[in-house]
Amino acid sequence: GEDVEQSLFLSVREGDSSVINCTYTDSSSTYLYWYKQEPGAGLQLLTYIFSNMDMKQDQRLTVLLNKKDKHLSLRIADTQTGDSAIYFCADRRSTGGGNKLTFGTGTQLKVEL
Amino acid sequence: KAGVTQTPRYLIKTRGQQVTLSCSPISGHRSVSWYQQTPGQGLQFLFEYFSETQRNKGNFPGRFSGRQFSNSRSEMNVSTLELGDSALYLCASSFAAQGGDTQYFGPGTRLTVL
Repeated sequence: GEDVEQSLFLSVREGDSSVINCTYTDSSSTYLYWYKQEPGAGLQLLTYIFSNMDMKQDQRLTVLLNKKDKHLSLRIADTQTGDSAIYFCADRRSTGGGNKLTFGTGTQLKVEL
Repeated sequence: KAGVTQTPRYLIKTRGQQVTLSCSPISGHRSVSWYQQTPGQGLQFLFEYFSETQRNKGNFPGRFSGRQFSNSRSEMNVSTLELGDSALYLCASSFAAQGGDTQYFGPGTRLTVL
């Protein structure tokens, strides 16, 4: 199957950490990405991880990958109101070259004061 | 470097018409991919072009077509528009000589079919 699944909503208080989870089914996934989409805008690349890595940290963002369970998470430290957006995980499969990304349903993050 | 640009940003058409959307990739990027985003189906891959050739195609009907020019700019065309074609159409570019490079997205074209 080609499913990439995410929970639909997450609400956190400003200053707390947010953890957005994603599961994927295709074991041939090579790179996994996190994109952010604000209302009326396109997709902003946040970070990515190669499938042979367990963790990647980039400032306030930490990506954890459990390849055995096909589980990916994005942790945002010290969440701010500007982080309110929809977050998509996406995987790229090894399909003989090419750039097809398969996206999850998106998680809407709401940051409350 | 300028980012990915898409024109027009908004478009209103009626059923049965056709539409052409344009995408200019980041300078130096040779791959352009197109995605459709709808509330019901989410983000779905349409097709990818590299060096003026279609390299990948999603599961969309033949009414959806595209092309890429020698300067890497790409257009997609939808003929005989249906109400269900109303969506945000996103273009992404990458350097992608071998495929699989990181994709950077444009702001999208919002198409409304009446």
